[in-house]
Amino acid sequence: AQKVTQAQTEISVVEKEDVTLDCVYETRDTTYYLFWYKQPPSGELVFLIRRNSFDEQNEISGRYSWNFQKSTSSFNFTITASQVVDSAVYFCARRTQGGSEKLVFGKGTKLTVNP
Amino acid sequence: EPEVTQTPSHQVTQMGQEVILRCVPISNHLYFYWYRQILGQKVEFLVSFYNNEISEKSEIFDDQFSVERPDGSNFTLKIRSTKLEDSAMYFCASSEAPGGASETQYFGPGTRLLVL
Repeated sequence: AQKVTQAQTEISVVEKEDVTLDCVYETRDTTYYLFWYKQPPSGELVFLIRRNSFDEQNEISGRYSWNFQKSTSSFNFTITASQVVDSAVYFCARRTQGGSEKLVFGKGTKLTVNP
Repeated sequence: EPEVTQTPSHQVTQMGQEVILRCVPISNHLYFYWYRQILGQKVEFLVSFYNNEISEKSEIFDDQFSVERPDGSNFTLKIRSTKLEDSAMYFCASSEAPGGASETQYFGPGTRLLVL
């Protein structure tokens, strides 16, 4: 399977700091999808964003922004002015279009935002 | 907003026992999935299901596992004879269809299975 790498295992910041979570993916495909999911301490997986490989436009949603760069196979996630409620494990995932339906997840980055 | 639901939220069982984990996918979705997450590890794909049959399964999904859509709303994962290493959080997910905006898989809250 083509891997997703989240090199940061754990990150700890103080509230109001900005933080960037890195995601690097392997792909031999022309068309694929990338995702970010959030897993708060309660355990559920919450969908945050999906990106198609043909759409390199970066996206901002409130305090969240995503930087997709095909040239470096990266899809990084930035939280601006972090809050304690942002504390969670964040997973990056990929899926190939038209091929396997499965999501391939990275190992996740545990973010702790301290007051 | 429609959501995927799973029951039970927690299940404790003895090794060798059968367990059935239940899921109700989002009502207009056509593709269903099971994933698992061993404590502290990444989420791993088990199986996908479409049109009343398995469309893909991982090497984890051996003969001890089976899936079924017994009626129009439920989607179940059965583990026939549980092993200690089956202890994990099991997530159900569904998607409307592959391709475009319907590509996203939405996850349920999970069932935490503990095998003793």
